[in-house]
Amino acid sequence: GQNIDQPTEMTATEGAIVQINCTYQTSGFNGLFWYQQHAGEAPTFLSYNVLDGLEEKGRFSSFLSRSKGYSYLLLKELQMKDSASYLCAVMDSNYQLIWGAGTKLIIKP
Amino acid sequence: EAQVTQNPRYLITVTGKKLTVTCSQNMNHEYMSWYRQDPGLGLRQIYYSMNVEVTDKGDVPEGYKVSRKEKRNFPLILESPSPNQTSLYFCASSLSPDRGSKLFFGSGTQLSVL
Repeated sequence: GQNIDQPTEMTATEGAIVQINCTYQTSGFNGLFWYQQHAGEAPTFLSYNVLDGLEEKGRFSSFLSRSKGYSYLLLKELQMKDSASYLCAVMDSNYQLIWGAGTKLIIKP
Repeated sequence: EAQVTQNPRYLITVTGKKLTVTCSQNMNHEYMSWYRQDPGLGLRQIYYSMNVEVTDKGDVPEGYKVSRKEKRNFPLILESPSPNQTSLYFCASSLSPDRGSKLFFGSGTQLSVL
């Protein structure tokens, strides 16, 4: 079956760096997405990786290794507003999105 | 403003009383989808539509209906709601799923079925 694994919850300190991992096993691969979701709100797009390597976008970066079925989202200079859930989703060979359960990130002052 | 408009935001109903959750997008997107989100389970797809008059079942379609008569609208219908359909529902759209297009989500509908 298809599966996306990411940690349930992580805690980090304001101003620090945190890495949220995502491993996947899917039927084919057509890209990996990261979304941010604040409590009670809709998910919003953060990044998309389809080739191996690091994509940097301001304080956020996303890395992909297709051979290892692995991605991570790196958040730098953490701010209190970064407290949210981070969702990893993989597009399979049928162009359907397979979603992880999300990682709740708690930022402490 | 480019957006997905979903209504209502909150809905409390009773078992068996038919309801419709509306979803409309103003971005001329081909692809639209409905998800439900339950604690610890992540987003699960209910139905999706690749274009007008084309709809397909997602992972959890039982108890739901959809229609896509116009490109902009994709309503979710619960003919006879049951308590296990209590959940947070999201409508989403994208330009086209085969281009790695990002999803735009509506603000969500918190449904409680008593």
